[in-house]
Amino acid sequence: GAGVSQSPRYKVAKRGQDVALRCDPISGHVSLFWYQQALGQGPEFLTYFQNEAQLDKSGLPSDRFFAERPEGSVSTLKIQRTQQEDSAVYLCASSLKPMNTEAFFGQGTRLTVV
Amino acid sequence: ELKVEQNPLFLSMQEGKNYTIYCNYSTTSDRLYWYRQDPGKSLESLFVLLSNGAVKQEGRLMASLDTKARLSTLHITAAVHDLSATYFCAVDSMDSNYQLIWGAGTKLIIKP
Repeated sequence: GAGVSQSPRYKVAKRGQDVALRCDPISGHVSLFWYQQALGQGPEFLTYFQNEAQLDKSGLPSDRFFAERPEGSVSTLKIQRTQQEDSAVYLCASSLKPMNTEAFFGQGTRLTVV
Repeated sequence: ELKVEQNPLFLSMQEGKNYTIYCNYSTTSDRLYWYRQDPGKSLESLFVLLSNGAVKQEGRLMASLDTKARLSTLHITAAVHDLSATYFCAVDSMDSNYQLIWGAGTKLIIKP
């Protein structure tokens, strides 16, 4: 597709449930970022991939959060044993070059944990 | 620790008026970004400012950067309703391992 695509757009999970969020970056983009955006706040960095290599995962809030990009294209963010504080919009962005220049964002997945 | 503060966080203004949004950051930054976000939509890149004194303009929006003051401004000229959105600034630097650190956003409402 022409842009960054995320699915699902909305996810309601019961507390304790595992969830998987998918990101399809723009074809050929080397860099892929995941961010967490709480209501009324700016995004907060979670993790960064350059191709299939996860170069920075310093923003992942706990070991319940796991991200992968096994073939250097599609990425999945997995959250195990979801908790209410995990409720947020999860944004994916990709860029053609390493790091942040000209990063394009997807529409996000809104996760609500009940 | 790199911190980014935006001011104001909320702004309601009339069409045709001018106003400025301010973005302060706490340590040396390599790049400063301005993004726009409409409700339920993606973040859209507006400007990337790379050096002291940089000024970029697109339509009614103009962004500038003063690295000595660690300040960027986003100026809106003769506002129109379709500029209503939330505007974010973000910076990256060696201090943040070159990951973007974001401000809280400025929600701008322009009344017709």
